[in-house]
Amino acid sequence: QVQLQESGPGLVKPSQTLSLTCTVSGDAFSGGTYYRSWIRQRPGKGLEWIGHIYSSGSTSYNPSLKSRISMSVDASKNQFSLKVTSVTAADTAVYYCARAERLGMGRVFFDSWGQGTLVAVSS
Amino acid sequence: SYVLTQAPSVSVAPGQTASITCEGNDIGSESVHWYQQKPGQAPVLVVYDDRDRPSGIPDRFSGFNSGNTATLTIDSVEAGVEADYYCQVWDRSGDHPVFGGGTKLTVL
Repeated sequence: QVQLQESGPGLVKPSQTLSLTCTVSGDAFSGGTYYRSWIRQRPGKGLEWIGHIYSSGSTSYNPSLKSRISMSVDASKNQFSLKVTSVTAADTAVYYCARAERLGMGRVFFDSWGQGTLVAVSS
Repeated sequence: SYVLTQAPSVSVAPGQTASITCEGNDIGSESVHWYQQKPGQAPVLVVYDDRDRPSGIPDRFSGFNSGNTATLTIDSVEAGVEADYYCQVWDRSGDHPVFGGGTKLTVL
């Protein structure tokens, strides 16, 4: 069974960089047809896709965040990471890492999620 | 970008059937997936590919998708299914997921 676990600071100062890591276990990290994704949920709001890294290594980011987002993979550690630069209070949210498998055209859904980690942006 | 619309809230009496809808342009041509999220917890996949259930999800959860509306149905509702429910499709042109705004299910 795949398990994902987010880690990183729970408090970040405005204008600084938010950095989170997702550690994956029980998953053949290399290969397959998986999207390793970051999704956030602001307080009292819905789910917002941030971006993903596909198995091929290609990345895709939410256009509204693209200029501040970067993602990377460390396959040797079964980890993938998120950085968000120049954070503001609007970036305060629970951040989830999740895995989606591509079963076919349009058939992509998130079958495994981390528990989520709350990141507050405050001075 | 593709837009999914959900009603903010649905209320149902215990033992009754809850229907949660997700509207989108020709959504019947897409694969729709549904997640349940209880307070303080991560979302859990309850239906994928319109109507299939992952292992461990009870058969009280079912889905249907046609035209411009996808529906998640929960039979014999009890307090344990009270949660937020999100629909999701994959935007093929942008190659990214799209989530509905979520529906809060309240058991009266």
